[in-house]
Amino acid sequence: DIQMTQSPSVLSASVGDRVTINCKASQNINKYLDWYQQKFGEAPKLLIYHTNHLHTGIPSRFSGSGSDIDFTLTISSLQPEDVATYFCLQHNNGYTFGAGTKLELK
Amino acid sequence: EVQLVESGGGLVQPGRSLKLSCAVSGFTFSDYFMAWVRQAPKKGLEWVATITTTGSRTYYPDSVKGRFTISRDNAKSSLYLHMNSLRSEDTATYYCVTIASGDWFVYWGQGTLVTVSS
Repeated sequence: DIQMTQSPSVLSASVGDRVTINCKASQNINKYLDWYQQKFGEAPKLLIYHTNHLHTGIPSRFSGSGSDIDFTLTISSLQPEDVATYFCLQHNNGYTFGAGTKLELK
Repeated sequence: EVQLVESGGGLVQPGRSLKLSCAVSGFTFSDYFMAWVRQAPKKGLEWVATITTTGSRTYYPDSVKGRFTISRDNAKSSLYLHMNSLRSEDTATYYCVTIASGDWFVYWGQGTLVTVSS
């Protein structure tokens, strides 16, 4: 089974900051990596698919990058509405989620 | 507007069964693979089951294989999850999810809470 290690588990940042969240796979996942945002009390929402493709309606301040085993979600300028927990998901072999990163405002 | 509405959750005793349903609207249900994903209280997400467009193939992780069965009724645009031999560790919010052609989880329902406890 493929394991996903997501970091950090908690991130505190200020409005306007550039924020990065990382996921590391236990083996090459061929860019089959997506990012989801889950606000408190809500269902997860797709942000980025296949490493770097922005889903419809998602603000351009969100971007994804990476390859092989290392992947990054970047928020170029943090907004108050971005407070949420973020998860990565690999689907190269089955489906495995990262443990999540809780993003808070400083 | 895309809508996925789960129902059927509740409190159930260990060892008993429960059936979840998901009513879908806003897209052509029969064109998409579907899945169930769960989230234990204050925990991460776990994929539970996937079904192909016609229902001919289903997939499960080891944690639920042999106990859970995913099914669908394309005429009713509905997805189901039959859960047998429930355990306390099955306690979670269960989300109905639409899988896009590239295998990412594109649409999510609001979830239904299943609590397994005596």
